Amino acid sequence: AQSVTQLDSQVPVFEEAPVELRCNYSSSVSVYLFWYVQYPNQGLQLLLKYLSGSTLVKGINGFEAEFNKSQTSFHLRKPSVHISDTAEYFCAVIGGGTSYGKLTFGQGTILTVHP
Amino acid sequence: DTEVTQTPKHLVMGMTNKKSLKCEQHMGHRAMYWYKQKAKKPPELMFVYSYEKLSINESVPSRFSPECPNSSLLNLHLHALQPEDSALYLCASSSPSGGETQYFGPGTRLLVL
Repeated sequence: AQSVTQLDSQVPVFEEAPVELRCNYSSSVSVYLFWYVQYPNQGLQLLLKYLSGSTLVKGINGFEAEFNKSQTSFHLRKPSVHISDTAEYFCAVIGGGTSYGKLTFGQGTILTVHP
Repeated sequence: DTEVTQTPKHLVMGMTNKKSLKCEQHMGHRAMYWYKQKAKKPPELMFVYSYEKLSINESVPSRFSPECPNSSLLNLHLHALQPEDSALYLCASSSPSGGETQYFGPGTRLLVL
């Protein structure tokens, strides 16, 4: 079985400040990792993904994440946030075995950017 | 193009009504998904179709009935729903190889009265 823990339920930050949203996962098999963003009353939009290869992954809107296998983490970062980044962010994992194809989500982190 | 479309955007129905949600993708994906998302919670998987066959049913009540008429379309038929079924229903699609990215539609906001 696999699970995802997002360590912060809410993260307030001022505009143009850096931000890190933390995600840890557990799985007994190799995993693929994703970050999705959800704006109010909308669906989920893919920010970035790690399938294999370079552990530093760059996504849309200036976001990046680093896969750390030894710490089982996949933290999302942005060097300078904008008001428009205010949204809920979900970390998610797909693993092999019985969970093949099943996307498991963390509980979400609400990022609020203040002017 | 990574677009998944869903209709309707909003739906209000009574507990005795029958309605359907529709999802469509033209990315050539052969896996399609239904998720349910309650307020302030992550999406919960309901059903997975792979190559137009139901491959996962997460013990969803029979008042929800999925249908995959072809590789581009996914329906969710609703009958005799309860107020607690009110939620955002999300459709997603992917290539059915497990590690492929799931692309989500905008969702249907359902209110059951």
